[in-house]
Amino acid sequence: AQKVTQAQTEISVVEKEDVTLDCVYETRDTTYYLFWYKQPPSGELVFLIRRNSFDEQNEISGRYSWNFQKSTSSFNFTITASQVVDSAVYFCALSEAGTGFQKLVFGTGTRLLVSP
Amino acid sequence: NAGVMQNPRHLVRRRGQEARLRCSPMKGHSHVYWYRQLPEEGLKFMVYLQKENIIDESGMPKERFSAEFPKEGPSILRIQQVVRGDSAAYFCASSQGSGLTDTQYFGPGTRLTVL
Repeated sequence: AQKVTQAQTEISVVEKEDVTLDCVYETRDTTYYLFWYKQPPSGELVFLIRRNSFDEQNEISGRYSWNFQKSTSSFNFTITASQVVDSAVYFCALSEAGTGFQKLVFGTGTRLLVSP
Repeated sequence: NAGVMQNPRHLVRRRGQEARLRCSPMKGHSHVYWYRQLPEEGLKFMVYLQKENIIDESGMPKERFSAEFPKEGPSILRIQQVVRGDSAAYFCASSQGSGLTDTQYFGPGTRLTVL
């Protein structure tokens, strides 16, 4: 069965600190996709990144970076030099190719609080 | 280009009433997904629809819940005879295609409160 675990319920940091959000997943499928979404206080979900199971190359986008390790079934998200605007709930999600369509399975989210 | 639109943003119903939640996908998107977020939990898949077709409703409760995506107009999630446990945020997402790499874009959600 597919499952996404975000063990960190809430993280508080001070502006300019680096922070890593953990995501561990379970799947029996060999082809799958991993996602991160951001949910700011306004409530909508904002797509951040999608990764497929065959691409373990780490990705960097500005202050954001993602570390995908199949050996540990993890897809961690790091924010460098955090800012107050990064305060949000961050969700990691998984979709299995065997489902036939993009049926997202979400973790319970990590609330990030960045204080000035 | 307008994003996914949902209305109402907030909906209050008394037990036993009906709730209708609307979702207008992004322009050019013909695939719609509904998710439910209970308090302090992640989003849970409910149903996937294409125009006039329900493709997968494996996450929908068997009773009282239904969804449609007509040829014209928004997608509707309908909850009949609401109970307190239906109180949640309901999110709609849309995608351009049905491929596994098509990005789902989410609306702002409808927060349903059942009194």
